[in-house]
Amino acid sequence: DGGITQSPKYLFRKEGQNVTLSCEQNLNHDAMYWYRQDPGQGLRLIYYSQIVNDFQKGDIAEGYSVSREKKESFPLTVTSAQKNPTAFYLCASSTRQTEAFFGQGTRLTVV
Amino acid sequence: AQSVTQLGSHVSVSEGALVLLRCNYSSSVPPYLFWYVQYPNQGLQLLLKYTTGATLVKGINGFEAEFKKSETSFHLTKPSAHMSDAAEYFCAVSDRGNFNKFYFGSGTKLNVKP
Repeated sequence: DGGITQSPKYLFRKEGQNVTLSCEQNLNHDAMYWYRQDPGQGLRLIYYSQIVNDFQKGDIAEGYSVSREKKESFPLTVTSAQKNPTAFYLCASSTRQTEAFFGQGTRLTVV
Repeated sequence: AQSVTQLGSHVSVSEGALVLLRCNYSSSVPPYLFWYVQYPNQGLQLLLKYTTGATLVKGINGFEAEFKKSETSFHLTKPSAHMSDAAEYFCAVSDRGNFNKFYFGSGTKLNVKP
């Protein structure tokens, strides 16, 4: 089945630690996105990528980094510079003609 | 940039009653329009979308939405609520350009009372 796979589902980060969230898609979509979701704030765009080896900052990119070395993969690193990383993170993909397709999310908690 | 406004962060209806969730967007050029549903600790699932053609769009689970250009609105309705409809609903838009950049509303949590 085609879709988007995010892993892990739950992730715990210690203070000062970098963590990487995985996102893989087998839909052959060109565009991929990372969103952060906090209660009552909807979805906020962190980074997006239209093609391999290219990506752009979204509205809340500070403290995050991404790479797009393969069409299928768009990992997100939450760095120690992100002071409030506890949130639900959603990865999505699309083509020009389609809606965004979402993964099942990763819940990140600082311990 | 686009903005999307969803009126009412929480809506409560009785089972069997009409569901109406409101969405307005800011663009002067009609964008692509979407409604998504999210259940707790899950991703977003597309309910329906409007890109072109008929302004009344039917989606999954008995939901429908009507695009009204003059009102810049895309309200979501369902004639009869079911307990399983309890979830959070997001309205989204994307520009009619070369690249789909999506803008989401802040969401409306729907509570269905027995």
